[in-house]
Amino acid sequence: EVHLVQSGAAVKKPGESLKISCKGFGYRFTSYWIGWVRQMPGKGLEWMGIIYPGDSDTRYSPSFQGQVTISVDKSISTAYLQWSSLKASDTALYYCATADSGGNSGYFDSWGQGTLVTVSS
Amino acid sequence: QSVLTQPPSVSGAPGQRVSISCTGSSSNIGADYDVHWYQQLPGTAPKLLIFGDTNRPSGVPDRFSGSKSGTSASLAITGLQAEDEADYFCQSYDSSLSGSWVFGGGTRLTVL
Repeated sequence: EVHLVQSGAAVKKPGESLKISCKGFGYRFTSYWIGWVRQMPGKGLEWMGIIYPGDSDTRYSPSFQGQVTISVDKSISTAYLQWSSLKASDTALYYCATADSGGNSGYFDSWGQGTLVTVSS
Repeated sequence: QSVLTQPPSVSGAPGQRVSISCTGSSSNIGADYDVHWYQQLPGTAPKLLIFGDTNRPSGVPDRFSGSKSGTSASLAITGLQAEDEADYFCQSYDSSLSGSWVFGGGTRLTVL
């Protein structure tokens, strides 16, 4: 059974950097895409991007391109979402999730528990 | 402003049938890209409810069903139960946004 475990909540100041993680259990990590989804307080879901751990093929939403970096470390079955300079507007709950495909028929079939990121001075 | 438009809220009494719409355009649902639905219970991560327009993952009750026509899709829930009270999101692919996946704004279902 696919199980995704995300890193714990983070509290940061504007301008600081951050890298959150998502570790996969119970499946072949390199065979499934992992994506990231943002949920701002009281709001809906936003697709940020997706990566294929097998070859690190990465696709970003235009809204998040250049704002975040998605990466993986295959050796420890872990995907990452990172910021180089956080803004208060990055305050949100971030989910990782797996997908069979990163293309036009893709959907997320297993989700992590979410990581709350709070950015405040 | 979401690319896919959902009603902010719907409600129904236990046992009733409700439907949630997801309206897109010619670059997403209208281009016959698959529509998928997620259920997010309060305080929990989203869960896949329907994939590929009409398919239910193992374990999802057959009270939940999906359909699609033209530039819109719908999620129907029959025999409404108290535990169905949640937020529901549609998701598809949009060819005009550099090949992005897109979500609807979400619909809050209240069981009266």
